[in-house]
Amino acid sequence: GENVEQHPSTLSVQEGDSAVIKCTYSDSASNYFPWYKQELGKRPQLIIDIRSNVGEKKDQRIAVTLNKTAKHFSLHITETQPEDSAVYFCAPDSIRRSYIPTFGRGTSLIVHP
Amino acid sequence: DTEVTQTPKHLVMGMTNKKSLKCEQHMGHRAMYWYKQKAKKPPELMFVYSYEKLSINESVPSRFSPECPNSSLLNLHLHALQPEDSALYLCASSPGRGVGNQPQHFGDGTRLSIL
Repeated sequence: GENVEQHPSTLSVQEGDSAVIKCTYSDSASNYFPWYKQELGKRPQLIIDIRSNVGEKKDQRIAVTLNKTAKHFSLHITETQPEDSAVYFCAPDSIRRSYIPTFGRGTSLIVHP
Repeated sequence: DTEVTQTPKHLVMGMTNKKSLKCEQHMGHRAMYWYKQKAKKPPELMFVYSYEKLSINESVPSRFSPECPNSSLLNLHLHALQPEDSALYLCASSPGRGVGNQPQHFGDGTRLSIL
């Protein structure tokens, strides 16, 4: 099955700094690369995604970059704010798993005011 | 706004009780999912329904019994649960099968405690 690793497991930054979270996957058949944000006590929500025919996608302060050759994709958050504090999960899918996502272990981002 | 609605939000039950979790979506999605999430862990897939048919059962114990009465509703029937089953149970939906299995839209979950 798909092996998904996320790093770091915890990331602590000062407000205004940038944050980068990396997701490494094993299945070369993966085609869709989303990032979900889960605030404490709330549901996971999609914040940005990218498909395999694109190398980078940006939405205001967040961006996702994909390196299909190296099999990793990263979440970039610029000008972090306290409300960015949450757990972030990558969840690449694969045709071998009927496109069902495999969640990474999560990264706890803490933004200090 | 939460487009996937789950009830109840909290549930406390004894090990001999029978209860049901409910999930509803009105986005016209044809795939629905049950996940179990423990604290500080990722969602763990339990069941997938695609076009109202059970398509994936991730070797879940039989004390959990899913049901999909129609394309908008998903139930999870609980019976004789164990304390280790205490967790957040998340329902999700997505547009359809195959590439339509993402992105996933999650409900707020039911926080289940087994006494």
